Amino acid sequence: GDSVTQMEGPVTLSEEAFLTINCTYTATGYPSLFWYVQYPGEGLQLLLKATKADDKGSNKGFEATYRKETTSFHLEKGSVQVSDSAVYFCALGGSYIPTFGRGTSLIVHP
Amino acid sequence: DAGVIQSPRHEVTEMGQEVTLRCKPISGHDYLFWYRQTMMRGLELLIYFNNNVPIDDSGMPEDRFSAKMPNASFSTLKIQPSEPRDSAVYFCASSRDRRSSEAFFGQGTRLTVV
Repeated sequence: GDSVTQMEGPVTLSEEAFLTINCTYTATGYPSLFWYVQYPGEGLQLLLKATKADDKGSNKGFEATYRKETTSFHLEKGSVQVSDSAVYFCALGGSYIPTFGRGTSLIVHP
Repeated sequence: DAGVIQSPRHEVTEMGQEVTLRCKPISGHDYLFWYRQTMMRGLELLIYFNNNVPIDDSGMPEDRFSAKMPNASFSTLKIQPSEPRDSAVYFCASSRDRRSSEAFFGQGTRLTVV
């Protein structure tokens, strides 16, 4: 069935470091891909999305490119801030039931 | 719109008691999802509705769990009887249509069964 695999966390970085969180997926057809972020004590909220191959989603300095050939949707940010500390979820969507990865915790130190 | 509204935010109950979690989706959204989040299992889809009709409840762990959606603006998830292993954060989410599947989440209900 459809599935999403994310890198294990926590990812611990210093402020202004470069961030990559890997995400790969397994699905039939052409799903939309999403990154959600969950801050402590809150629900998930959409960070960015891409609906077709080679699309790049971006928001708040984060970006991810839909790579059909490698079935990947890695999340990147050039310079993280303490306020980016949260749990990040990669997800499949589109014409599919929303399917989420396990989540990757990001901790950013000053 | 106020977003997806869940109540209560926190619930502490004793083993064996009935627990009812409530959700008001965003107006105009056709899909409603119930998820459970734990450290061990991550985010699990329990059940989802389309136009108030349950479509897939294969994620509901046991017969102790039931969900209803009597109208487009209200859904409940009930656990009867509750057990300590049901302790988790339960999220309700809604989406406008299945193709976009951008899900909007409530803030969740943290359930503790003692």
